[in-house]
Amino acid sequence: SAVISQKPSRDICQRGTSLTIQCQVDSQVTMMFWYRQQPGQSLTLIATANQGSEATYESGFVIDKFPISRPNLTFSTLTVSNMSPEDSSIYLCSVPGIGTNEKLFFGSGTQLSVL
Amino acid sequence: GIQVEQSPPDLILQEGANSTLRCNFSDSVNNLQWFHQNPWGQLINLFYIPSGTKQNGRLSATTVATERYSLLYISSSQTTDSGVYFCAVESTGGFKTIFGAGTRLFVKA
Repeated sequence: SAVISQKPSRDICQRGTSLTIQCQVDSQVTMMFWYRQQPGQSLTLIATANQGSEATYESGFVIDKFPISRPNLTFSTLTVSNMSPEDSSIYLCSVPGIGTNEKLFFGSGTQLSVL
Repeated sequence: GIQVEQSPPDLILQEGANSTLRCNFSDSVNNLQWFHQNPWGQLINLFYIPSGTKQNGRLSATTVATERYSLLYISSSQTTDSGVYFCAVESTGGFKTIFGAGTRLFVKA
């Protein structure tokens, strides 16, 4: 299994500002995933963060709005830029287990509220 | 891409009742997981079950990969079982895990 630490756990931000969320894993992983969960909704994949290359974004998500860094195999950040109230969500990072066909592990998430 | 459908969307149970949650998926999968999201938002791994049957206490799950569905059984439900149950799949040929819309369960005391 993997232990994932996410910071901050929650934040309240003003519209127009940006927030950077950090994700630290206790083991080296090739891929890290960032998800968004809007209020009352399911989880939607934002992007896949690979070390040494640009993140791969899903349809509806763009790098200018959600820039991602992946400086090494145990750490990633997601920035929510120029925030609006519609960005109020839980943001979660996740990693696959070691080996093939392994289950996905999740951090505890970042609860973001934008006023 | 792969589609994941969960049913029912909402479920209210009396404590002690049994229930079955269903997950249908539209394509072959490498992985399938069931998660419970508690009222505080924490996602808890329940089962990793791309095929076959597994049991863990009052919970069990069965995936019939050839027919593209999975079932989660909850027996003798308790109020602490309340929350949202998600089915999540990784399709063959991809590394992305896609979530269903979830089943929102409320267990009454």
